[in-house]
Amino acid sequence: QKEVEQDPGPLSVPEGAIVSLNCTYSNSAFQYFMWYRQYSRKGPELLMYTYSSGNKEDGRFTAQVDKSSKYISLFIRDSQPSDSATYLCAMSGSSGYSTLTFGKGTMLLVSP
Amino acid sequence: NAGVTQTPKFQVLKTGQSMTLQCAQDMNHNSMYWYRQDPGMGLRLIYYSASEGTTDKGEVPNGYNVSRLNKREFSLRLESAAPSQTSVYFCASSEVWQSSGNTIYFGEGSWLTVV
Repeated sequence: QKEVEQDPGPLSVPEGAIVSLNCTYSNSAFQYFMWYRQYSRKGPELLMYTYSSGNKEDGRFTAQVDKSSKYISLFIRDSQPSDSATYLCAMSGSSGYSTLTFGKGTMLLVSP
Repeated sequence: NAGVTQTPKFQVLKTGQSMTLQCAQDMNHNSMYWYRQDPGMGLRLIYYSASEGTTDKGEVPNGYNVSRLNKREFSLRLESAAPSQTSVYFCASSEVWQSSGNTIYFGEGSWLTVV
């Protein structure tokens, strides 16, 4: 079993739809959870960051972490064509030199 | 503010050739990283430098070497390129080590093809 599982998509939605992107993980030591957005032929950029369990909201984006289920989600409200990108989840523990573990990314396509 | 700058952006190599990917950051970050990204494999850490003067192997170091030239610059060298090293390479940096949720900033990527 991979440490982080993420459906590669593509996920196609119409403009204005609510989008749900998800990752599951197996390592209970993960404490920090991030979502990166990567446009085509660009580097990933940090979108959301959450520590431990709970929700975090930033504009149209909401990140949720359920550590009991080892499940994290990113919700995008009122999706726009400019949201079309690949979304990577990433997570790490808190000990010493633990490294980020990335999901493989979900490609999102928002059509006008 | 350029952030993380990588060169070259595109490169085609023949099997057995060597080359160096250059990376520089202007954010005064302590930690720097090299990742590769392959279809279906996601981002994988090749080497990292937690601080100036130190380097360590990541998940997939075989066939690569690195040099932390100074605080700003971190280069990745392929000594004898192989087709399996065809990939997109990303340099990244963070203010301090990436654990504890410290933000990693990525460069734009270097597309390398080995024929």
